[in-house]
Amino acid sequence: SQKIEQNSEALNIQEGKTATLTCNYTNYSPAYLQWYRQDPGRGPVFLLLIRENEKEKRKERLKVTFDTTLKQSLFHITASQPADSATYLCALLYSGGGADGLTFGKGTHLIIQP
Amino acid sequence: DVKVTQSSRYLVKRTGEKVFLECVQDMDHENMFWYRQDPGLGLRLIYFSYDVKMKEKGDIPEGYSVSREKKERFSLILESASTNQTSMYLCASSLGRGRTLIGELFFGEGSRLTVL
Repeated sequence: SQKIEQNSEALNIQEGKTATLTCNYTNYSPAYLQWYRQDPGRGPVFLLLIRENEKEKRKERLKVTFDTTLKQSLFHITASQPADSATYLCALLYSGGGADGLTFGKGTHLIIQP
Repeated sequence: DVKVTQSSRYLVKRTGEKVFLECVQDMDHENMFWYRQDPGLGLRLIYFSYDVKMKEKGDIPEGYSVSREKKERFSLILESASTNQTSMYLCASSLGRGRTLIGELFFGEGSRLTVL
């Protein structure tokens, strides 16, 4: 069965450093992968999408990589700030999947310490 | 900006009550979704709809039904609420073509339901 894994333990990073979050998947032939941010008690907010034929995407201080050989995506936040503290979700749509084919990981809680 | 509005942020209901959760989106999106989110289990798809009056079961449809009579509105119904349906419910919408998902999901703020 399809499976997406994110580090379930909280990630503590010092302000100003680069935070790197990992999303691993199995049994997928992916179409694309998305990253979302979720603050406590709120709905997720879309951040970035990367397609299976793309290696890297950037948006301001955010960078996403996608390695279909390793079946892994890395999400980087450079020059991290306490305001970046949140839970980050990855979601993968597999090739040929319909609208119900978007599967979410359980999220990684990121804490940026001043 | 796309806006997905859920009717209630917090609800408290009793076991056996019928519960309606309403969701409205303002961007003419074809696809609409209902998820529930529980600690340690992540987001799980209950139902989705890719067109008016069209609905398909997600991963955990048992105990739920949905209604989509208008393109902008997608309702989740708990016919007889049970305590194990206490959860955060999230509605989302996206562009679509048939059953195909195009792009990202836009989520509402969530409805936290407690069933006593």
